[in-house]
Amino acid sequence: DVKVTQSSRYLVKRTGEKVFLECVQDMDHENMFWYRQDPGLGLRLIYFSYDVKMKEKGDIPEGYSVSREKKERFSLILESASTNQTSMYLCASSTLAGGGYEQYFGPGTRLTVT
Amino acid sequence: QKEVEQNSGPLSVPEGAIASLNCTYSDRVSQSFFWYRQYSGKSPELIMSIYSNGDKEDGRFTAQLNKASQYVSLLIRDSQPSDSATYLCAVIPGNRDDKIIFGKGTRLHILP
Repeated sequence: DVKVTQSSRYLVKRTGEKVFLECVQDMDHENMFWYRQDPGLGLRLIYFSYDVKMKEKGDIPEGYSVSREKKERFSLILESASTNQTSMYLCASSTLAGGGYEQYFGPGTRLTVT
Repeated sequence: QKEVEQNSGPLSVPEGAIASLNCTYSDRVSQSFFWYRQYSGKSPELIMSIYSNGDKEDGRFTAQLNKASQYVSLLIRDSQPSDSATYLCAVIPGNRDDKIIFGKGTRLHILP
């Protein structure tokens, strides 16, 4: 079974703090993704990575950065947390399976910025 | 902007009946289609993938794809209260074989 883990299920941080969200997958997947999910807005892609040390901006990269130093690990960094970054953060990984790239999600981190 | 459209619901279906969830997409050359189930407060779980026209069955779930009409549907037979969740349709556009576009989901409520 594919296993994607995230460092925290719940996190509370203060405005202005630097926040690190960690994601690890154990299936040797090439691609990794960070999303945020908010009521009424659906899943929005923040950043993704095709390979170690590679990254691409998604639809809403402002206020975020990422790091992928090892194939299995993809980190999301909030340089200076703000209240509008309160959200559910979801990490996912994918690889070619069957006829396409099937994407698998971690359990999510619910981040509250106060 | 490539889009995936779903009715937000809620869709209410009696227990034991067939639940039918529909999705349309805008990119005509899309090749990969997925259905995810998401329980409240949890992360999305991949339940079906389909890549060619027609039906694909897995247990009580059937995914249907019609590329000419640009829609994909999910049928859930013998609906159970545990099927109550939000179902996300997802499509990989034709020009990218790895980046998924998600719909906003349809809330399904199975009535006991």
